[in-house]
Amino acid sequence: DTGVSQDPRHKITKRGQNVTFRCDPISEHNRLYWYRQTLGQGPEFLTYFQNEAQLEKSRLLSDRFSAERPKGSFSTLEIQRTEQGDSAMYLCASMTGDGYTFGSGTRLTVV
Amino acid sequence: QQPVQSPQAVILREGEDAVINCSSSKALYSVHWYRQKHGEAPVFLMILLKGGEQKGHDKISASFNEKKQQSSLYLTASQLSYSGTYFCGTDSGAGSYQLTFGKGTKLSVIP
Repeated sequence: DTGVSQDPRHKITKRGQNVTFRCDPISEHNRLYWYRQTLGQGPEFLTYFQNEAQLEKSRLLSDRFSAERPKGSFSTLEIQRTEQGDSAMYLCASMTGDGYTFGSGTRLTVV
Repeated sequence: QQPVQSPQAVILREGEDAVINCSSSKALYSVHWYRQKHGEAPVFLMILLKGGEQKGHDKISASFNEKKQQSSLYLTASQLSYSGTYFCGTDSGAGSYQLTFGKGTKLSVIP
């Protein structure tokens, strides 16, 4: 059990570019979540997968955001046409039964 | 709706006790507590379920008042390692275990 892995750890991108983040959850965890956290705030829910099915998506998530979890293993979160307001820490978490295990996050800076 | 945490910040000397409160305007199924140190991912502390018992381990415990939709985290005989930001995450019981996090309580323990 190596925990939840996220890649990359940091990403700096120019406004208007597309970015993709990857999350590898703990292998036996069938629930996977994406959250976004900005400075001084708690994590904010983005989307949730159970196995390969995306079961919930926040109404705050614009059409520029898309997430996948092919074969119920790793997950990717893509942001198209990034905006400065997308700058945040993107956290992935997996869960089975008890609380979340979070990854270290991907810090996105849009310049 | 986002739960309200109080206090926003607290400074303790080693060995002192603290209570962090979390209050929601919605009926809750469970409350999660996490601690996040600067630059790191949130770490799960404990979960309190509706109808469940007060939980605790070591010198950290928590309670959940379902009728008042409130939870409190108790830290006794604080240690330097307790420093960090504490978040409560509330689950309204829709089955997804999607959490709504408060803004956090910053706890600083000084020698």
